[in-house]
Amino acid sequence: KQEVTQIPAALSVPEGENLVLNCSFTDSAIYNLQWFRQDPGKGLTSLLLIQSSQREQTSGRLNASLDKSSGRSTLYIAASQPGDSATYLCAVNGNNRLAFGKGNQVVVIP
Amino acid sequence: GAVVSQHPSWVICKSGTSVKIECRSLDFQATTMFWYRQFPKQSLMLMATSNEGSKATYEQGVEKDKFLINHASLTLSTLTVTSAHPEDSSFYICSALTGQTLEQYFGPGTRLTVT
Repeated sequence: KQEVTQIPAALSVPEGENLVLNCSFTDSAIYNLQWFRQDPGKGLTSLLLIQSSQREQTSGRLNASLDKSSGRSTLYIAASQPGDSATYLCAVNGNNRLAFGKGNQVVVIP
Repeated sequence: GAVVSQHPSWVICKSGTSVKIECRSLDFQATTMFWYRQFPKQSLMLMATSNEGSKATYEQGVEKDKFLINHASLTLSTLTVTSAHPEDSSFYICSALTGQTLEQYFGPGTRLTVT
């Protein structure tokens, strides 16, 4: 069974600092890995999708890396803004079944 | 991008009644949809996989007679919570799978409160 762990569970950073969010998973046999953003009481917004054959994906200030062999992914958010405050979820796709971590709860302090 | 809608966005019902939640893919066809539930401060837990035209596949520990899933068309899946109890109160989220990239697009979720 795939186990997904996200560290740290919660963090606060001052505006302008770079954010580094970590995700680890136990089974490296994956199709892809997705990073999502979830605001309180809301659904999920897809941020980045990395296929198993890729090493990283970038979108604007966001960059996600994937090291499948070691079972790790990292989400970098450059120059954080208060609007980046949210919970970030990592989800690993194995055989079309997503296994989610518990999330990184981020607060960006103005 | 692919859009998935859910209806209703929130619902309050009395214990013992049934509630139906709809999940629609608005601009693409989805042969496979998924249903998740999320408790406060917890992550999403997969409940079942819904395939168009066939029976849903339920995860271990999920009662199929309580959580009825129907995927009658390529754009609609429904989840019916039967004989709801307060412990069924949760946030229910659906997703739809795209065929090309195997990416799941999520609906906005439905907040169910059973009184």
